Amino acid sequence: DARVTQTPRHKVTEMGQEVTMRCQPILGHNTVFWYRQTMMQGLELLAYFRNRAPLDDSGMPKDRFSAEMPDATLATLKIQPSEPRDSAVYFCASGTNPNYGYTFGSGTRLTVV
Amino acid sequence: SQKIEQNSEALNIQEGKTATLTCNYTNYSPAYLQWYRQDPGRGPVFLLLIRENEKEKRKERLKVTFDTTLKQSLFHITASQPADSATYLCALGRDSGNTPLVFGKGTRLSVIA
Repeated sequence: DARVTQTPRHKVTEMGQEVTMRCQPILGHNTVFWYRQTMMQGLELLAYFRNRAPLDDSGMPKDRFSAEMPDATLATLKIQPSEPRDSAVYFCASGTNPNYGYTFGSGTRLTVV
Repeated sequence: SQKIEQNSEALNIQEGKTATLTCNYTNYSPAYLQWYRQDPGRGPVFLLLIRENEKEKRKERLKVTFDTTLKQSLFHITASQPADSATYLCALGRDSGNTPLVFGKGTRLSVIA
């Protein structure tokens, strides 16, 4: 089965450090999403791309977060500087047609201390 | 503002019974609604999609209904099994394209043998 691959699976970092999360979407999927999941807020959209072009990043704190797709096989989410409130699980998802749903990666669990 | 509510955080049922989960929404006109399953430490997995002009959809032991007048979807698992224990998320899509989903916070289902 095709999978969305996210790295790293876990990341513990100190406040103020830069964090980079990576996602390899499924080959052929033209839409890529970044979501963040917390107990309090559930899944929240941070950004999404279609054919590598950013379409919406209004869910991201722009002063510290940035999302890019340097090529069709890689999406990145960076946080600089990181803060304890950024602690969450970050999911990447990709898809082509909502009829088939979106495929999520296993997530990156980020802890900022 | 848009709001999606899933009826309860947790639901416990006896094996063999039918589990019914509820998803209500306000201030939103979705083109479709999806249901996902999420296991601990994993990303959500797509189960079913139902469109605004459909009343009911079935897939094996799963049944989803969608009432746009009540702004509600019901998700049923018949002949439930302990392996069905997971968190179930509803998600709304606003048009037929690959646009971001808005998720509910989920209902954690426990099927007791």
